[in-house]
Amino acid sequence: DGGITQSPKYLFRKEGQNVTLSCEQNLNHDAMYWYRQDPGQGLRLIYYSQIVNDFQKGDIAEGYSVSREKKESFPLTVTSAQKNPTAFYLCASSIDTRNSPLHFGNGTRLTVT
Amino acid sequence: RKEVEQDPGPFNVPEGATVAFNCTYSNSASQSFFWYRQDCRKEPKLLMSVYSSGNEDGRFTAQLNRASQYISLLIRDSKLSDSATYLCVVTANPSGTGGFKTIFGAGTRLFVKA
Repeated sequence: DGGITQSPKYLFRKEGQNVTLSCEQNLNHDAMYWYRQDPGQGLRLIYYSQIVNDFQKGDIAEGYSVSREKKESFPLTVTSAQKNPTAFYLCASSIDTRNSPLHFGNGTRLTVT
Repeated sequence: RKEVEQDPGPFNVPEGATVAFNCTYSNSASQSFFWYRQDCRKEPKLLMSVYSSGNEDGRFTAQLNRASQYISLLIRDSKLSDSATYLCVVTANPSGTGGFKTIFGAGTRLFVKA
């Protein structure tokens, strides 16, 4: 079955450590996205990529980094520079960024203490 | 002004009721429109796309008014299982460069009670 896989589902880290969240899709979608959601809040765009080897900052990119070396993969690194990293992180993909709906993975809940 | 605005609710309705959600967007050049549903602590899932002529899927009807930059979702004969947060979603190119991106409203919470 085609879909988006995020791993792990739950992740715990100590403050000051970098952590990388995995996102893999086998839908053959060109576009991929990372969103962050805080309790009771909406989704905020961190980074997005329209095509392999290209990505753009979203609304809250500070303290995060991404890479898009393969079409299927769009890992997100939460660096120690991110001041409030504890959140629910959602990866998504779509055929394109203009007309296509997003398909989401199950999300990763990151807790930093 | 937020790019996509929704009434946060919550809407508390009895089973069988009809409920309507509204959404406004700020970019007149927005390209595509969707409604998503998000259950508590889960990922958003596509409910339906919204077309200029309006569209219906069972108990759900979506409308788009480009002139007023307004989108709506109507749920008829509400079920307990409709309880969720409903997200209005728009694709737009806010800066005119850098390509389109998908923008989510903060969502409207719906509680359907027996």
